[in-house]
Amino acid sequence: GNSVTQMEGPVTLSEEAFLTINCTYTATGYPSLFWYVQYPGEGLQLLLKATKADDKGSNKGFEATYRKETTSFHLEKGSVQVSDSAVYFCALSGSTNAGKSTFGDGTTLTVKP
Amino acid sequence: GAVVSQHPSWVICKSGTSVKIECRSLDFQATTMFWYRQFPKQSLMLMATSNEGSKATYEQGVEKDKFLINHASLTLSTLTVTSAHPEDSSFYICSARIGGGNNEQFFGPGTRLTVL
Repeated sequence: GNSVTQMEGPVTLSEEAFLTINCTYTATGYPSLFWYVQYPGEGLQLLLKATKADDKGSNKGFEATYRKETTSFHLEKGSVQVSDSAVYFCALSGSTNAGKSTFGDGTTLTVKP
Repeated sequence: GAVVSQHPSWVICKSGTSVKIECRSLDFQATTMFWYRQFPKQSLMLMATSNEGSKATYEQGVEKDKFLINHASLTLSTLTVTSAHPEDSSFYICSARIGGGNNEQFFGPGTRLTVL
């Protein structure tokens, strides 16, 4: 079945540091890949997505590239801010499996001033 | 666009009572809605998938008589936690999918349930 493996946290960075959160996946077919962000006490917000190999999703300075050869979708940001502190979830969703999404375990990011 | 709302955002109830949570897609029709449960500092656990006009499909280990799901229209799904107990206290999140080849899910803001 489908699975998503995310870099374990928590991750603590200083403001303006470079961020990488690793995500690899196992899936049948050609899934779409997503990064979601969850702030304390809130639901999930879509951060970015990519629907096919070599696509790059980007939003608010975050980027991730769909790498089929390495089955990865690593999240990066060149300069993090305190407001980026949140939990980040990598997920995949395929056209099979009734459209269900498979989520990673989440990575907690704390950015210190 | 693609906004999903949940109501209530939080609820406190006594043990033994039933609680209904609504999930609405505000500006699109959702062919499929999903219900998740999230424990503190953990990932989302899919409870069930509901399609409008048909019975929900529950994930293994989820009691369908405990968690009643009704998807009466293309914009509304409800989750009723029957005879709630303290162990049912959790954060419940719904999502909605447009379908038609679009795999993206749009998430509601979640409902915090506390059972005393």
